[in-house]
Amino acid sequence: GENVEQHPSTLSVQEGDSAVIKCTYSDSASNYFPWYKQELGKGPQLIIDIRSNVGEKKDQRIAVTLNKTAKHFSLHITETQPEDSAVYFCAASNPPYGQNFVFGPGTRLSVLP
Amino acid sequence: DSGVTQTPKHLITATGQRVTLRCSPRSGDLSVYWYQQSLDQGLQFLIQYYNGEERAKGNILERFSAQQFPDLHSELNLSSLELGDSALYFCASSVAGAGGVDEQYFGPGTRLTVT
Repeated sequence: GENVEQHPSTLSVQEGDSAVIKCTYSDSASNYFPWYKQELGKGPQLIIDIRSNVGEKKDQRIAVTLNKTAKHFSLHITETQPEDSAVYFCAASNPPYGQNFVFGPGTRLSVLP
Repeated sequence: DSGVTQTPKHLITATGQRVTLRCSPRSGDLSVYWYQQSLDQGLQFLIQYYNGEERAKGNILERFSAQQFPDLHSELNLSSLELGDSALYFCASSVAGAGGVDEQYFGPGTRLTVT
């Protein structure tokens, strides 16, 4: 089955700097890669996703890149703000999407003012 | 707000007991997924229902069961509870069930504490 690794497990950056979180997946059939942000005491919130027919996607300060050959994808957050502090999870999914929706272990991002 | 609701928010019970967690999906979503998140752990997929039928099963214990009702809300039943079952339980919903890429939207979760 699919296995998703995520690095780093913790990340501290100064406000205004960029943050990058990387994930690798094992199943070449995976074709959907979402990123979730989880704030303390809340459920995961979908912040951006990418499909396997696209190499990069951007939404304001957040971007995701996908390298299908190397089987890795990354989340880039620019101009970080204190409210970006949270745990970020990547996931990889392939049909049939139920049991094959696998999350990475998470990255705790701290943005220091 | 994702549009997915879960009740109760917190639940404290004793070992050996049985509890029921409830989830209402976003309007129009036919699929409901259940996940378990233990302390410092990632999200572990438990089970998926699509339009009332079980669609996929993950690492769900035999002591746990779920169902999805005609109005599409879902319940996760946890029985013979053990201390190790203490965790956050999340429900997510999506429009489709399988055969297409599909975003999942998560509810706020139920924090279960077994004492």
